[in-house]
Amino acid sequence: SQQGEEDPQALSIQEGENATMNCSYKTSINNLQWYRQNSGRGLVHLILIRSNEREKHSGRLRVTLDTSKKSSSLLITASRAADTASYFCATDAWGGSEKLVFGKGMKLTVNP
Amino acid sequence: DADVTQTPRNRITKTGKRIMLECSQTKGHDRMYWYRQDPGLGLRLIYYSFDVKDINKGEISDGYSVSRQAQAKFSLSLESAIPNQTALYFCATSAAPGQGYQPQHFGDGTRLSIL
Repeated sequence: SQQGEEDPQALSIQEGENATMNCSYKTSINNLQWYRQNSGRGLVHLILIRSNEREKHSGRLRVTLDTSKKSSSLLITASRAADTASYFCATDAWGGSEKLVFGKGMKLTVNP
Repeated sequence: DADVTQTPRNRITKTGKRIMLECSQTKGHDRMYWYRQDPGLGLRLIYYSFDVKDINKGEISDGYSVSRQAQAKFSLSLESAIPNQTALYFCATSAAPGQGYQPQHFGDGTRLSIL
């Protein structure tokens, strides 16, 4: 059963704008990860945030985690057409990435 | 060069047929996984393996079996395919946690259609 639930399910923005995606989950976690999937391709890992962290940055990505609300957000700044993809959050309730539970994903479209 | 290779990339077959999907990796990872992706449902774990002698059922293992032939190879079989097994199948690998959490690395998937 899905643990994470991304919101919104679809988002369309213009190049240069910021994109924010939210993920809510149900049970306690050790870490939360975000993945990107380009059309016709496999998932690619973007960023991981541990349960004792509140915010993390990687390039144009910023992820936050609020364990009290069981939620996370992924912010992509200065979006590009190449950011067009589906994005998934995944939670890990154990000590390593051995059994991730993925959300249903959300589709981001960045218009040039 | 792909680190995680899935074959075939596409397969159309008939109900009742036995099908094998193969996955090989050059990343040297011990852990391998099989997922299926259905529209609107995200990815669901079918089986996973932490090393050659370790096989574990995932969330939706019924109707599937796996074989870990070597560290680098993990195959998924559908013994008697049925139409509701039509989906996109992904293989993934990861290193053991070791010094920290390790991300999963995915192949590009096998699109399977069962008529």
